[in-house]
Amino acid sequence: GAGVSQTPSNKVTEKGKYVELRCDPISGHTALYWYRQSLGQGPEFLIYFQGTGAADDSGLPNDRFFAVRPEGSVSTLKIQRTERGDSAVYLCASSLGATGRETQYFGPGTRLLVL
Amino acid sequence: GNSVTQMEGPVTLSEEAFLTINCTYTATGYPSLFWYVQYPGEGLQLLLKATKADDKGSNKGFEATYRKETTSFHLEKGSVQVSDSAVYFCALKIGSNDYKLSFGAGTTVTVRA
Repeated sequence: GAGVSQTPSNKVTEKGKYVELRCDPISGHTALYWYRQSLGQGPEFLIYFQGTGAADDSGLPNDRFFAVRPEGSVSTLKIQRTERGDSAVYLCASSLGATGRETQYFGPGTRLLVL
Repeated sequence: GNSVTQMEGPVTLSEEAFLTINCTYTATGYPSLFWYVQYPGEGLQLLLKATKADDKGSNKGFEATYRKETTSFHLEKGSVQVSDSAVYFCALKIGSNDYKLSFGAGTTVTVRA
């Protein structure tokens, strides 16, 4: 199994709760990305990690969203005080490097539903 | 800003029909262009790409040509199969933010036997 994996595949939570979404990138990939895909839309960029640091978090919608990658491999996207509008599929991708020549490989996503 | 506009779906066609999905872009610089495909129950996969004007990307019988004069990257396949049923996304990357993919809204294609 060499692909990007994401857990859980589905998450149902109540408004106001805290959730964590996990991403395991392809082994050896230094770059990791999170995107959010709302119903009927294409994915939208949230945040990009190069190694352990967030190189660009300009896509995070507000300060309820936070992501970490403490050891430069697995990443966790954390959402505090969830709102119904956070319902979407959260996609993770990884690439060998971060230049335009590198292909991003996507995981299957976590479908989040906030009731 | 940078954006991608692609043909709205859904598109339904019969096996062996010709498929075209239109994609145009707006960019402040010189983008790389991509088509990604999402099969039912699977993650996004890169289908093909082109990095400069007049480049043609091709894979699995699909083709797309980077047309700078019309800012387009239309996807075509001459004879579709049922297994081509999927959602297709046009996307671009550009400039100093060339790690950041900007996607179109996606086009759902259903091929009937």
